Amino acid sequence: DQQVKQNSPSLSVQEGRISILNCDYTNSMFDYFLWYKKYPAEGPTFLISISSIKDKNEDGRFTVFLNKSAKHLSLHIVPSQPGDSAVYFCAASVGGTSYGKLTFGQGTILTVHP
Amino acid sequence: DAGVIQSPRHEVTEMGQEVTLRCKPISGHDYLFWYRQTMMRGLELLIYFNNNVPIDDSGMPEDRFSAKMPNASFSTLKIQPSEPRDSAVYFCASSGLGGRKLFFGEGSRLTVL
Repeated sequence: DQQVKQNSPSLSVQEGRISILNCDYTNSMFDYFLWYKKYPAEGPTFLISISSIKDKNEDGRFTVFLNKSAKHLSLHIVPSQPGDSAVYFCAASVGGTSYGKLTFGQGTILTVHP
Repeated sequence: DAGVIQSPRHEVTEMGQEVTLRCKPISGHDYLFWYRQTMMRGLELLIYFNNNVPIDDSGMPEDRFSAKMPNASFSTLKIQPSEPRDSAVYFCASSGLGGRKLFFGEGSRLTVL
């Protein structure tokens, strides 16, 4: 039972354009969502997060949108740069006794062409 | 500041051998997580500790896997005996100071022949 899903295995975008990565979840108990970026032979690195009490969080070129009714979140990267080419993982967690335990999606490979 | 440190970075071993992966979390962090990444299953949580105590080991695949955290600055993940299907990248991560984001190490790539 995959509780966090990233249905697009890959995305290709031209430099300077917008990249939109999508993520769906099924567990309504998730109250905190994160995006991680991963380069080959490195560990995932934190990118941006959002609490379920918000519907948008912005950090520079990166914006995460949360639609709780649809159980959907998305990551927007504007403008996209070749250095953004990496695997992007969506993750979610439940508070309380499961604090800090993240469930990850399968990842989306983003390629930004110069 | 030093991040999460894992060793070894690469391990190649033969089926049946014991494998020990090591992790040093970020100083001051009170949560430590072991994840495994495979093509088929993606990033899956194996076990996590809070203040050196195992909280949830439901992701540990079999009794061949064990993890310990003898003190706040060191954890091990042991596989005995190893099998080819254990081949994967094993990540250690830590979090703390009230934060909910995890900081990952660079991973240990295990190949069991």
